[in-house]
Amino acid sequence: GESVGLHLPTLSVQEGDNSIINCAYSNSASDYFIWYKQESGKGPQFIIDIRSNMDKRQGQRVTVLLNKTVKHLSLQIAATQPGDSAVYFCAEKESGGYNKLIFGAGTRLAVHP
Amino acid sequence: DSGVTQTPKHLITATGQRVTLRCSPRSGDLSVYWYQQSLDQGLQFLIQYYNGEERAKGNILERFSAQQFPDLHSELNLSSLELGDSALYFCASSVVGSQDYGYTFGSGTRLTVV
Repeated sequence: GESVGLHLPTLSVQEGDNSIINCAYSNSASDYFIWYKQESGKGPQFIIDIRSNMDKRQGQRVTVLLNKTVKHLSLQIAATQPGDSAVYFCAEKESGGYNKLIFGAGTRLAVHP
Repeated sequence: DSGVTQTPKHLITATGQRVTLRCSPRSGDLSVYWYQQSLDQGLQFLIQYYNGEERAKGNILERFSAQQFPDLHSELNLSSLELGDSALYFCASSVVGSQDYGYTFGSGTRLTVV
């Protein structure tokens, strides 16, 4: 069945370092992937997305990499800041259908000064 | 403000009771999704509506039901509540059919069953 999982439940980094959050997915029919950030007490917030016809997409301080061969997705955050501390979720959408997203378990990113 | 409005923000109720959570989607979005998030857990998909019709169902209990009204707002009804139903309930909306498949989430309703 479908599943999206994360390798590390918690990631601690120093302020200014780069962060890498990983995600594995199992549904080869998924054609769209999104990373969300959830701060304490708030709803998930869209960070960046990538379609299956791409292997890399960059935003402001964030980069998403997609490796379809091994069904792996990663989120890279450059120069991590205290405001980046949150839980990060990856999500996948199966091609076709009505846009149902399946979310992974989440990784908590803790940024230390 | 994401544009998705959920009410109430907090709800405390007793076991066995019934509650209704409300969601108003972002203007222009036809699709509404409900998710449940238990403490330190991921987002579990419950149900999706598109323009008033149910489109997809996830791990939604029979005690739970939802609907989307003609004005596109949605309600999630939870009945015969149990302690384990305590969780954050999120609503999200999207424009299905456009290039942008991303969801916009509301700030959630925190349900506490005592």
